[in-house]
Amino acid sequence: DAGVIQSPRHEVTEMGQEVTLRCKPISGHNSLFWYRQTMMRGLELLIYFNNNVPIDDSGMPEDRFSAKMPNASFSTLKIQPSEPRDSAVYFCASSYIAGSRQSDTFGSGTRLTVV
Amino acid sequence: AQKVTQAQTEISVVEKEDVTLDCVYETRDTTYYLFWYKQPPSGELVFLIRRNSFDEQNEISGRYSWNFQKSTSSFNFTITASQVVDSAVYFCALNQAGTALIFGKGTTLSVSS
Repeated sequence: DAGVIQSPRHEVTEMGQEVTLRCKPISGHNSLFWYRQTMMRGLELLIYFNNNVPIDDSGMPEDRFSAKMPNASFSTLKIQPSEPRDSAVYFCASSYIAGSRQSDTFGSGTRLTVV
Repeated sequence: AQKVTQAQTEISVVEKEDVTLDCVYETRDTTYYLFWYKQPPSGELVFLIRRNSFDEQNEISGRYSWNFQKSTSSFNFTITASQVVDSAVYFCALNQAGTALIFGKGTTLSVSS
């Protein structure tokens, strides 16, 4: 099992550019989460999907952020236009949720720097 | 509202010392789950333990142990005989089944030789 795969590992972009972060969840997992980690705010949820459907996007900071999950094996988080304050580590996690059973596995993260 | 508080921002110990990381949580739910994750300098998040609200038994795994006390809403983590490789940021987290994790701010543990 390759685990949750995120790409790229590092991204440096100029302010105003579009950034797309990618995530491949573990096969068979039915939920996917995007988290952001910053020094100021720590680890916070941006959005999560269950069976490819967005369930809670209340953590998405503003309209510049969008996330999609077109199928069970792929998700993207897009920032357009990017701003320096978006600089952070973005984690994707996938989980198999059935009743009370849940097992979250995190990817290695994407470190985004917006200059 | 749910909340996780890790009051210790940073802890420094010398190898072989025991160290306890504190975690206090708030929730109105009767069914919930508590977690600990480790984030080493390489940056990934490593799952350590998951505990449900109905299981207050203490857990021991090698040098790691966890003390869950519903009466004080605490889920503390103890490392016995700490080692340099234990240096990392440790996060406590809380959720209900099927929802996202709510993380504490983390405790940075530095173990020196």
